[in-house]
Amino acid sequence: DTEVTQTPKHLVMGMTNKKSLKCEQHMGHRAMYWYKQKAKKPPELMFVYSYEKLSINESVPSRFSPECPNSSLLNLHLHALQPEDSALYLCASSQGPDRVEDTQYFGPGTRLTVL
Amino acid sequence: SQQGEEDPQALSIQEGENATMNCSYKTSINNLQWYRQNSGRGLVHLILIRSNEREKHSGRLRVTLDTSKKSSSLLITASRAADTASYFCATDEGYSTLTFGKGTMLLVSP
Repeated sequence: DTEVTQTPKHLVMGMTNKKSLKCEQHMGHRAMYWYKQKAKKPPELMFVYSYEKLSINESVPSRFSPECPNSSLLNLHLHALQPEDSALYLCASSQGPDRVEDTQYFGPGTRLTVL
Repeated sequence: SQQGEEDPQALSIQEGENATMNCSYKTSINNLQWYRQNSGRGLVHLILIRSNEREKHSGRLRVTLDTSKKSSSLLITASRAADTASYFCATDEGYSTLTFGKGTMLLVSP
């Protein structure tokens, strides 16, 4: 299984809502990532989990809260978002930082709209 | 932070023609990777070139890397309509974190 899955595909939420994005991989990868991508822009790294521990937080606002329950799952909890947070949220996984050549496998993304 | 700068930002060609995209970066890298993204979807890894390599081939793809100029190019030969997508270079500076360039939007017309 060489697939990264993400749910939901689309999410519309109000600024007072709490929602979660989910990501799953079964490739035995030990690093997982969250990216945010605005239209016609490149992906921007938000968080990196390495061996289930948060290793990188790219100064992301606290209204985004990542969680890695186990090595196959990655969640992104959303609370009190702003309309400018509307974007495509991409999850990726890779074998891990101890690999010399580490390529990332991306999920299809969750299209988030904040009203 | 964005490191790579792709050139051109957009490219429109006919099927069968070759497409060349360029990428420049600013810092030392372990490797440079190219990814493709179909409209509004996830990214697909295409090819990786190590910092000590100068050229690499994979099917219709040819990647070059010039570390002295901090630049790379991606050549797609005999393009097809299905190659229509956005192409991003990404630099790996270590610890498996990638920094993506701004991307080139490629349109291949039948």
